[in-house]
Amino acid sequence: GNSVTQMEGPVTLSEEAFLTINCTYTATGYPSLFWYVQYPGEGLQLLLKATKADDKGSNKGFEATYRKETTSFHLEKGSVQVSDSAVYFCALLHNTDKLIFGTGTRLQVFP
Amino acid sequence: SAVISQKPSRDICQRGTSLTIQCQVDSQVTMMFWYRQQPGQSLTLIATANQGSEATYESGFVIDKFPISRPNLTFSTLTVSNMSPEDSSIYLCSVERFWGDGYTFGSGTRLTVV
Repeated sequence: GNSVTQMEGPVTLSEEAFLTINCTYTATGYPSLFWYVQYPGEGLQLLLKATKADDKGSNKGFEATYRKETTSFHLEKGSVQVSDSAVYFCALLHNTDKLIFGTGTRLQVFP
Repeated sequence: SAVISQKPSRDICQRGTSLTIQCQVDSQVTMMFWYRQQPGQSLTLIATANQGSEATYESGFVIDKFPISRPNLTFSTLTVSNMSPEDSSIYLCSVERFWGDGYTFGSGTRLTVV
């Protein structure tokens, strides 16, 4: 079946460091891929998305490229801030209209 | 994207009681869903709320425990019935305006059962 695998956290970085959070997926065909962010005490917010192979989603300095050949959608940011500290969820949407989430990766950024 | 108002934002309830959570959207949406997020965990889909008919439940979730209503295209409720401490979670409403648009989530209801 369809599934999403994320790197385990927490990921701990100093401010202005480069961020990568790995995400790979298993699905037939061409799912849509998403990154959601959950700040402490809040619900989920859509961060970015990509709907077809080689698409790059971007928002707030974050980027992720839909790689069909490696079934990946890794999240990157060139320079993280303390305010980026949150839990990040990779997710896919395919055929059934049910969003399938990864386990989430907690990011902690220190000044 | 759609704007969701979810109420209450948090509650502390006695075991054996029930709590109804409301989800109001500012525009008509095709799909509405209810998720549960247990402490430190990812999100698990409880059910799809169908307008004018019974909800579609995922494996492990039943209507008697989690009755859902969706009387129109902008509103839904989830009831957590006969609560136990194991029901302590964040419950989130989610909507999708159209297929592939991505889901928008409410801010969640943080439920503690004592």
